[in-house]
Amino acid sequence: GAVVSQHPSWVICKSGTSVKIECRSLDFQATTMFWYRQFPKQSLMLMATSNEGSKATYEQGVEKDKFLINHASLTLSTLTVTSAHPEDSSFYICRASKYTEAFFGQGTRLTVV
Amino acid sequence: KNEVEQSPQNLTAQEGEFITINCSYSVGISALHWLQQHPGGGIVSLFMLSSGKKKHGRLIATINIQEKHSSLHITASHPRDSAVYICAVSTFGGATNKLIFGTGTLLAVQP
Repeated sequence: GAVVSQHPSWVICKSGTSVKIECRSLDFQATTMFWYRQFPKQSLMLMATSNEGSKATYEQGVEKDKFLINHASLTLSTLTVTSAHPEDSSFYICRASKYTEAFFGQGTRLTVV
Repeated sequence: KNEVEQSPQNLTAQEGEFITINCSYSVGISALHWLQQHPGGGIVSLFMLSSGKKKHGRLIATINIQEKHSSLHITASHPRDSAVYICAVSTFGGATNKLIFGTGTLLAVQP
């Protein structure tokens, strides 16, 4: 199956700093990438949908100025958590869409201290 | 009521047992996905189904479109199968291919 690489797999940062998470589709062009957040023992929560070359569409309740999403190419999307706070600590995971198939990244465990 | 329901929520089995996880949905779909997530890990796509049955190794997935129901079977279960299994559906409409997720089934296979 197709491969989606997400980096870093884990990161610890200080409160107030920004963190960038990358999501790359390695062997196919993803016209749409999705970013999810997952709290412990809960299901995935869609944060935003990003299409190459256009602004991301954020779900209700997600702060677009805090969670900056850039989809600069058909193989790369980035999520930047700006001015991170401890409540932003979570598991973030991306998904690249190829037709109706679903390919997920490995996820990033963010801990803000 | 959730649009995608899974059962059971938790399942404990002994190694070697045959396991079935069920998924029912109430919306029109273009495809149904079975996903696997190990503790603290990423998500692996096991199957994508739009009709019939698929098999990969010890895993079998079936879907009944008329009844809006799918099952994931694991034959000869092994402790390494312990994970959360998630049913998700792709709905019709638009090009964004959003997924609706079930709440997941936590499977523990004991040696």
